[in-house]
Amino acid sequence: EVQMVESGGGLVQPGRSQRLSCAASGFNIDAYAMHWIRQGPGKGLEWVSGISWNSGTMVYADSVKGRFTISRDNAKNSLYLQMNSLRAEDTALYYCVREYSTSWFPAFDVWGQGTMVTVSS
Amino acid sequence: EIVLTQSPGTLSLSPGDRASLSCRASQTVSSNYLAWYQQKPGQAPRFLIYGASTRATGVPGRFSGYGSGTDFTLTISSLEPEDFAVYYCQQYASPPYTFGQGTKLEIK
Repeated sequence: EVQMVESGGGLVQPGRSQRLSCAASGFNIDAYAMHWIRQGPGKGLEWVSGISWNSGTMVYADSVKGRFTISRDNAKNSLYLQMNSLRAEDTALYYCVREYSTSWFPAFDVWGQGTMVTVSS
Repeated sequence: EIVLTQSPGTLSLSPGDRASLSCRASQTVSSNYLAWYQQKPGQAPRFLIYGASTRATGVPGRFSGYGSGTDFTLTISSLEPEDFAVYYCQQYASPPYTFGQGTKLEIK
């Protein structure tokens, strides 16, 4: 079964850091670009960041640029999101997602169940 | 940044009805790189449509996507009880890969 499981969420104080992880199973991530998408409580979906299959391309939403870093370890079949200088507005459920194609076409066919990050003092 | 505006915000229909959900872009979505997702409460979104009109694997034939340029539509030909959910459009033509604000399809 193709699935992704996120971890690393929790309660964190403003200005602190948090690292999210995503473990994939049932497929090899090295064939796919991978992304993070978030959803604030009761809100819509917001694309956060994406990384190409070989880490040659990394893109970020303006709202997180300079604070978040996406990375991957294909040998471990895992995706990561390092989040620094966290703000209250970063509070959200963070989804790890897979592109539907093995080329760079950022529409997403496989979603994890998400990990919740709450930024509050 | 391409802004996507979905309408209506809420659509109240009955099972068996036909639903039409609109997604309008602030600028042309090149190559019709437009996707649709369905999200039910407490669940991750489900991938429905890509390339504006191609159904994803396993998506029932009652779901159809249309449109090009700046105007796109998701149509559900005959609503089943499990179709009542929130629907999002998303453009993947250029970063940031933006989503619409969603249309809630509720039972009338």
